[in-house]
Amino acid sequence: TQLLEQSPQFLSIQEGENLTVYCNSSSVFSSLQWYRQEPGEGPVLLVTVVTGGEVKKLKRLTFQFGDARKDSSLHITAAQPGDTGLYLCAGAKGGKLIFGQGTELSVKP
Amino acid sequence: EAQVTQNPRYLITVTGKKLTVTCSQNMNHEYMSWYRQDPGLGLRQIYYSMNVEVTDKGDVPEGYKVSRKEKRNFPLILESPSPNQTSLYFCASRPSSYEQYFGPGTRLTVT
Repeated sequence: TQLLEQSPQFLSIQEGENLTVYCNSSSVFSSLQWYRQEPGEGPVLLVTVVTGGEVKKLKRLTFQFGDARKDSSLHITAAQPGDTGLYLCAGAKGGKLIFGQGTELSVKP
Repeated sequence: EAQVTQNPRYLITVTGKKLTVTCSQNMNHEYMSWYRQDPGLGLRQIYYSMNVEVTDKGDVPEGYKVSRKEKRNFPLILESPSPNQTSLYFCASRPSSYEQYFGPGTRLTVT
């Protein structure tokens, strides 16, 4: 049973489009992180959200933590080919970090 | 440069031949973990360590061993590898917060 469900699993869009990736759970997390992984490399932390309802922006990326701290979303505005990669959410719970299965994003020029 | 290093990056071996994947971090982090990444399953934690000589099982520990004799090193040992352990392995470390720093990965193939 996957504790953190990410959707969609695959996303292929054209440069300039907007997109949203969702990370959902029935569990409450003390914090939630988003990572980006490029082929042949390890995941790299993008952001950590801690407070329910929190919104953080990182250039064209907007991250939101749900009010109940059970879900999160990542919105990318005007996607670029450099945004291509695997996006992973991870929730902190009981001393452990639990990962979603990832969203494979491909942005075509 | 603050980093997590893993060796080897690529390894092809045969069933039953013992192997060790090394992991080292230079950030003085207390927490270290090993994950395996498989298509459609995301990252699954194998073992983790909260400090020197303190280790605990993650979600998929069967067939793996670890040790933490020094703070900076956390090797992953496969005593008798099997084909179902073919995977991409990541070592990670973190401070007391949950923000993980990952190594570059080790791609293991067991034939």
